[in-house]
Amino acid sequence: QKEVEQNSGPLSVPEGAIASLNCTYSDRGSQSFFWYRQYSGKSPELIMFIYSNGDKEDGRFTAQLNKASQYVSLLIRDSQPSDSATYLCAVNPYSSASKIIFGSGTRLSIRP
Amino acid sequence: DVKVTQSSRYLVKRTGEKVFLECVQDMDHENMFWYRQDPGLGLRLIYFSYDVKMKEKGDIPEGYSVSREKKERFSLILESASTNQTSMYLCASTPGLYNEQFFGPGTRLTVL
Repeated sequence: QKEVEQNSGPLSVPEGAIASLNCTYSDRGSQSFFWYRQYSGKSPELIMFIYSNGDKEDGRFTAQLNKASQYVSLLIRDSQPSDSATYLCAVNPYSSASKIIFGSGTRLSIRP
Repeated sequence: DVKVTQSSRYLVKRTGEKVFLECVQDMDHENMFWYRQDPGLGLRLIYFSYDVKMKEKGDIPEGYSVSREKKERFSLILESASTNQTSMYLCASTPGLYNEQFFGPGTRLTVL
């Protein structure tokens, strides 16, 4: 089992709809959880981080964390074509606090 | 704003050459990381450093070495480049434990 798993996609969502991206992780003691966006040919950029169970909202983005079920999700409301990118889920495992484990990413495509 | 810079955006080298990739961060971060990113394989950690002159192997250290003589600079060295080291190389830094990583723009290395 991979430490951080994501559906590779592509996930195709119509413009204006809600895009839902999911991620599961294996280290139950993981402390911090991150969502990065990566455009083709560019480096990853942080869009959300979450430490506590529940929801965290920032503009059109909402991160949801459920530690008991070991999943973290990202919702993008009012999806725009500029949201088309690969989204990387990343987890700070308890076993190594200075490292971050990345999922392989979900490719999101917003169709006009 | 945190700034992580990498010495080259694109690099072409020949098999057997010694290759240096440099990364500099300007925010006094403790930890620095080198990843490579390949289609379908995601981000893979090569080496990381949590202090000057300290280094730890990541998941795929074979064929690579690193140097951290100053806090702000972390170098990745390919002792004898091979074609299977053709990849996107990403440097990242983080201020401490359980923090997000900030990425440089990446170096796309081609080994012929």
